[in-house]
Parts: sequence; structure tokens; C-alpha cells
Amino acid sequence: DTGVSQNPRHKITKRGQNVTFRCDPISEHNRLYWYRQTLGQGPEFLTYFQNEAQLEKSRLLSDRFSAERPKGSFSTLEIQRTEQGDSAMYLCASSLGSTLEQFFGPGTRLTVL
Amino acid sequence: AQRVTQPEKLLSVFKGAPVELKCNYSYSGSPELFWYVQYSRQRLQLLLRHISRESIKGFTADLNKGETSFHLKKPFAQEEDSAMYYCALKGGSEKLVFGKGMKLTVNP
Repeated sequence: DTGVSQNPRHKITKRGQNVTFRCDPISEHNRLYWYRQTLGQGPEFLTYFQNEAQLEKSRLLSDRFSAERPKGSFSTLEIQRTEQGDSAMYLCASSLGSTLEQFFGPGTRLTVL
Repeated sequence: AQRVTQPEKLLSVFKGAPVELKCNYSYSGSPELFWYVQYSRQRLQLLLRHISRESIKGFTADLNKGETSFHLKKPFAQEEDSAMYYCALKGGSEKLVFGKGMKLTVNP
């Protein structure tokens, strides 16, 4: 499968724990995006990278959230001191340059107990 | 502010009936509008975008700037069209702003 991949697919954690998710974009896609989707809602933008540079961050991305894309390939999203309100599907997408289509991964479903 | 509104959450029709999924947007500039679809147990994928002015799987959508709408239409729905549909807007940045989505069910 040459599409966007995300790991893990599911994560259950206790409140207060830290979690990290990984996204592997489509090879050679230089843009990578993170979105969050809660039940009954559409995806909400969190942040976006062009190569290794984080160019835009949503106000949804509190200081407990951090994202990196150190070598311009895969990306990680870390949530520190998780809260029950962080329970959601975390989606990653990638795109190539100026093309408009964002290709989505299958998502990581986070449940905070 | 950028906003996308999908006023209906659910739509159920019989096979062969026409469907129209409504999408209204709010954006002061010139937006780029998209329809994404998510079939059961599959990932979100692009269905069509307004600049392409193309028909995909029999679906079309026309951007109406006067009414700030981008409704998705298909004259004869098929069972395989059953899915979640999301309207999305891109305006002035790289992020997509999505509506809440609409579940289309096409009954046999």
C-alpha cells in the first residue's frame, strides 16, 4: 500500500499519560497535515508542514500538543498529559507541492479513559 | 472567518432517485471548494473539486458565489453511493475547513 499510513491505528490511554502518533506520508509528498475528528464532526485542522518546517498551527493545538517532521518525511504528533477531551480520531494527510488534493491516512483513534 | 455548513445530517433515498447534498460556505475571498467522501471502513478521499469542473461517479457540483453554495448532485443514485460526504473549503492558507458531514443512504 503506497498511501498515507498511520500508527498505531488505535490507542487507549489513561488521563494524564503522554501519547505519540506517527504518520508516514506518500513518498515524495512535501506537505503533511494533521487533523482531528470528533464524533459527529468533520475533520478540524491542527497543523501543517512543508518539508520539515511547521508553517501553520491551529489555535486548537494547545501547548500540550507538539508535532514534528524532523527529516521532511514522517511526522509525529505528541499529546502530553492527555485529557478525556482529547479522545478523537487523529488524521494525517499529505500532498505534493502545489497540487490541491490532500490524501488522507486511515487515522489513529485515541481513547482517553 | 471560514466556515462550511452542511445543513442536513442524514439523507435516505431509493436507488435511481436524484440526490442533492447541500453545502454553504462563508469566506470573504475566492475559495477553493471540495467534496470528500468516506465509504464504510475506508479512508477519507477526494470526490471532486470545483476548479476541475468534472463529473466523478456521476456526481457534479457547481460553485455559486452569489449564494455561497457548492451543492453536490447526482441524477440517479446508486447503492454504492452510500457513504459520508464532507464539503470542504480552502481559502488563503493550506488548511481545509470541513463541514460536519452528511450521511447518504441509498436503499435498494
